[in-house]
Amino acid sequence: QQPVQSPQAVILREGEDAVINCSSSKALYSVHWYRQKHGEAPVFLMILLKGGEQKGHEKISASFNEKKQQSSLYLTASQLSYSGTYFCGTSPATQGGSEKLVFGKGTKLTVNP
Amino acid sequence: NAGVTQTPKFRILKIGQSMTLQCTQDMNHNYMYWYRQDPGMGLKLIYYSVGAGITDKGEVPNGYNVSRSTTEDFPLRLELAAPSQTSVYFCASSYSNSVIYGYTFGSGTRLTVV
Repeated sequence: QQPVQSPQAVILREGEDAVINCSSSKALYSVHWYRQKHGEAPVFLMILLKGGEQKGHEKISASFNEKKQQSSLYLTASQLSYSGTYFCGTSPATQGGSEKLVFGKGTKLTVNP
Repeated sequence: NAGVTQTPKFRILKIGQSMTLQCTQDMNHNYMYWYRQDPGMGLKLIYYSVGAGITDKGEVPNGYNVSRSTTEDFPLRLELAAPSQTSVYFCASSYSNSVIYGYTFGSGTRLTVV
C-alpha cells in the first residue's frame, strides 16, 4: 500500500519553514526519508522506527506518530540546497519490518532566494 | 568507494529488443533492489534480493528478470522491450533489511523504448 504524501508541492523563500507529511493506511514499523535532486539519485536522509521517535539531521528533523501511522519531515530555515523532491518510504509492522520499502509519490520542494 | 554503479546511463531500445541493465556495489551489502521511477509516481519496486542466489518479485515484475550470482552484482534483464517500460531505473542496496538501514541508490539508467 503506497503511503500518501502531502503536500504534492511547496514553494518557499530562503529562511522559511516547511512540513511534509507521509501517511499510511497500514501499521508501520519504520519510515525512511530521502531527497532527490533533479536528474540525480535519491539520497538517504534518516530512518524513524515505531515508538514516536524524533530525529534530526542539521536543520531537517522528522517525527513518527505510530498511532496515526504518520511521519512528518520538518525543514527549518530552509536553504537553496534543500530544493528537490522528498520521498518517504515505509516498512510495514508485520513481522517486525520487511526487506523492502514502499515509496510515496514525492513532495517537490522549491526554495527561492 | 564507488558505492552503487549502474550502466548504461542512457539507452534507447526498439520495441521487442532485449537488454541488461547492470548494477554493482562495492559496500558488501546483502540486500539489493531494482526500482523504476515514472514522472509523478514515485519509486516502484521491480525485484529485490536478500543475498546471492535469492531473488523475489516486487510490485511490478512483469517483463523483467533478475539474477544474483554474487554479492556485488544484480543485473536486470528486459527480454522484449515495450513502450510501457520507458522509465528511469534505479538500483539500490542496503546492508540489511529496511528496518534500520538506509538505501544507497545508483545514479540511474534512463531507458526509452520506441
